[in-house]
Amino acid sequence: DAKTTQPTSMDCAEGRAANLPCNHSTISGNEYVYWYRQIHSQGPQYIIHGLKNNETNEMASLIITEDRKSSTLILPHATLRDTAVYYCIVREAGTALIFGKGTTLSVSS
Amino acid sequence: DAGVTQSPTHLIKTRGQQVTLRCSPISGHKSVSWYQQVLGQGPQFIFQYYEKEERGRGNFPDRFSARQFPNYSSELNVNALLLGDSALYLCASSFRGDTEAFFGQGTRLTVV
Repeated sequence: DAKTTQPTSMDCAEGRAANLPCNHSTISGNEYVYWYRQIHSQGPQYIIHGLKNNETNEMASLIITEDRKSSTLILPHATLRDTAVYYCIVREAGTALIFGKGTTLSVSS
Repeated sequence: DAGVTQSPTHLIKTRGQQVTLRCSPISGHKSVSWYQQVLGQGPQFIFQYYEKEERGRGNFPDRFSARQFPNYSSELNVNALLLGDSALYLCASSFRGDTEAFFGQGTRLTVV
């Protein structure tokens, strides 16, 4: 079973920041937080991952709370093409990705 | 660079038949994983291979099997197909299995 809890759906206006929360209260010290997204009928796309520190790449930023029990994925300027299902996954290195139901993000103009 | 490639893209089979799905990982990647995604659900883990050895197996019946070849490509086999096996089958590759995984576009299997 997935070790994370995410809202079922969220809306965001185009051009605004999209902040997607994830709860992982049972995370252990050697587990990473991964984010993937899936646009309809395509394979999941890797976004970002982190262990303790906040991370940023060209796609997004990942903010992990100090106690590591929750995190937020930030898409700084959402576009219509960011409409997708976003999965937050907690994973120990070398183990499989266990997907939950994710958050459906709808970006509208 | 080519991403993860899967073949075929679509497939229709009859109940009771057998099917083989193929996956070519990103060049240099040595780990391949397989996932099944039924409509409306997140992908479910089936198998993980690293350096041609099985490293993990999900909760799937023995009708599902897989292997990884010396060139790191992989095949997923499903025997005695059931209607419930209709799904999008996804392959993901990673450098070592403990790094980020990249997915192919999947094979859409329909069992009639």
